[in-house]
Amino acid sequence: SQQGEEDPQALSIQEGENATMNCSYKTSINNLQWYRQNSGRGLVHLILIRSNEREKHSGRLRVTLDTSKKSSSLLITASRAADTASYFCAPWNSGNTPLVFGKGTRLSVIA
Amino acid sequence: DAEITQSPRHKITETGRQVTLACHQTWNHNNMFWYRQDLGHGLRLIHYSYGVQDTNKGEVSDGYSVSRSNTEDLPLTLESAASSQTSVYFCASSGGGAGTDTQYFGPGTRLTVL
Repeated sequence: SQQGEEDPQALSIQEGENATMNCSYKTSINNLQWYRQNSGRGLVHLILIRSNEREKHSGRLRVTLDTSKKSSSLLITASRAADTASYFCAPWNSGNTPLVFGKGTRLSVIA
Repeated sequence: DAEITQSPRHKITETGRQVTLACHQTWNHNNMFWYRQDLGHGLRLIHYSYGVQDTNKGEVSDGYSVSRSNTEDLPLTLESAASSQTSVYFCASSGGGAGTDTQYFGPGTRLTVL
């Protein structure tokens, strides 16, 4: 299993702005998942994008995947204070390898 | 509604004691995972199981053990607690393939080893 590397480590924006965070990985993948973690809570799944997909939307979330660059990005549009959380990506190869999480991006949305 | 629970939510113990953290899920998932989360390290995989009687070591398994006697539970045991094992522990479960489905996380257990 491989670990994704989120960038930036921390991001602070004003409410209403868009937030973009990136994830890079090293080897080819079958899919990539994004999770959110609110302070003191467990992770919550946001979206899964497969290797044959380039873009996926869920509400105010947009995820892109560029397999040639081995990278993914998560865009949160019109951010709200409630979006303040840490965001993690989890690239997955195949077979029985488990998901591995990195250090995440800490997003602060200031009202 | 199906859920995943962890107990206790907070635990303080002394160095050298054996500690067991419980994880129980009602999703009927085959896959269960234990992670620890520390500042500066993100989440690190300790042990995981893909079914009853199956257990596998993760990235940071030294000093920890698990056993899977039924589908619902994957208890994590610290054989002899050390201060380096002070952390927040998360249990997770998923159905389907190892990485093809959503992982559902428990609320976490905050463990302090004095």
